Amino acid sequence: QTVVTQEPSLTVSPGGTVTLTCGSSTGAVTSGSYPNWFQHKPGQPPRSLIYHTDNRHSWTPARFSGSLLGGKAALTLSDVQPEDEAEYYCLLFFNPIWIFGGGTNLTVL
Amino acid sequence: QVQLVESGGGVVRPGRSLRLSCAASGFTFSSSSMLWVRQAPGTGLEWVAVISYDGSEKYYADSVKGRFTISRDNSRNTVFLQMNSLRVEDTAVYYCVSEPSIGRFENWGQGTQATVSS
Repeated sequence: QTVVTQEPSLTVSPGGTVTLTCGSSTGAVTSGSYPNWFQHKPGQPPRSLIYHTDNRHSWTPARFSGSLLGGKAALTLSDVQPEDEAEYYCLLFFNPIWIFGGGTNLTVL
Repeated sequence: QVQLVESGGGVVRPGRSLRLSCAASGFTFSSSSMLWVRQAPGTGLEWVAVISYDGSEKYYADSVKGRFTISRDNSRNTVFLQMNSLRVEDTAVYYCVSEPSIGRFENWGQGTQATVSS
């Protein structure tokens, strides 16, 4: 059974930078895994942030960036704002199905 | 603007069925794959099923395979999720999501709550 792994929780100070990662139990994450990142706040539907590893949607602030880092997909938040406090999920493609990571709870403190 | 509106959730007994609908507007529905994603209480997001733009391809998570069926009606801009043989562990908020090109997930609906309880 394939597992997608994320840090359960991270804490960052306002104005700081933090990187969240997304790994696969099957090996290195590549662009062929079509990594996507989503932000989810309580009481709201999830919001799509990043697709195809490093592409922002038109609504995604420039302080969010995606990449591949050390065999994992990564989401870096720069100049973190209080409103960035949320759960963040990655999603990877294992043809023909998709699997979410367990989520990272990001605290801005 | 893009809208995805889910409906059909409710409370049912184990073993019964529910049919969820998701009405889409504001984008070219017939060109977009569509997905269902769920979130059970206190847990993370789970990918449930996907259907291709023309309905020719459908794939399911192992947890629902054989019990759930995804379908679509492009004339009505609507995607469905028929959920049979429901279990307590299927209790979740169900979201529909658009995928206008492979690996590009864009818009989410507000979600509909399905509760399976005896």
